Amino acid sequence: DQQVKQNSPSLSVQEGRISILNCDYTNSMFDYFLWYKKYPAEGPTFLISISSIKDKNEDGRFTVFLNKSAKHLSLHIVPSQPGDSAVYFCAATSNRDDKIIFGKGTRLHILP
Amino acid sequence: DAGITQSPRYKITETGRQVTLMCHQTWSHSYMFWYRQDLGHGLRLIYYSAAADITDKGEVPDGYVVSRSKTENFPLTLESATRSQTSVYFCASSESGVIEQFFGPGTRLTVL
Repeated sequence: DQQVKQNSPSLSVQEGRISILNCDYTNSMFDYFLWYKKYPAEGPTFLISISSIKDKNEDGRFTVFLNKSAKHLSLHIVPSQPGDSAVYFCAATSNRDDKIIFGKGTRLHILP
Repeated sequence: DAGITQSPRYKITETGRQVTLMCHQTWSHSYMFWYRQDLGHGLRLIYYSAAADITDKGEVPDGYVVSRSKTENFPLTLESATRSQTSVYFCASSESGVIEQFFGPGTRLTVL
């Protein structure tokens, strides 16, 4: 049973436009949500996180929005750049333990 | 080299053999993690450790053994490798929990 779902395996966006990656979760006990970015043949790198008590967190071109009632979060990248082409993983964790659940990932292609 | 390293980067073994994947970090991070990445599953936590001599199971621990006698090392052992353990394995570390983890480059393991 997937607790963290990324329903879009891939997404293509024109360079300079906004990229929106979506993530849904089922466990209302999650306290933190995270996004990781992964290039081929490399380990994932941490991108941005958001606490469940907030609805928005911004870091440069990256903004994460959290809608707790819908159990949905999204990552916005504005403007999209060629270096943003990667696989993006959504993840969630609870303060009760040190475990983390990742989604299956969304491959983002930034088109020239 | 500073950071987090994994060895070997590639490994081919046979069913039934024991194999150990090494992970070493130079930051003295308290937390260390092992994940596997498979097509269609994203990243799944195998084991994690909050400090030396403290380990705990993640989402998919069966068939794996870990130890952490020193803060900087977190080896993962497959005691009797099976084909289903063919995967890319990532080690990660963090200063304080699961939020911002630093991943190694991965080990691609093939079990024939």
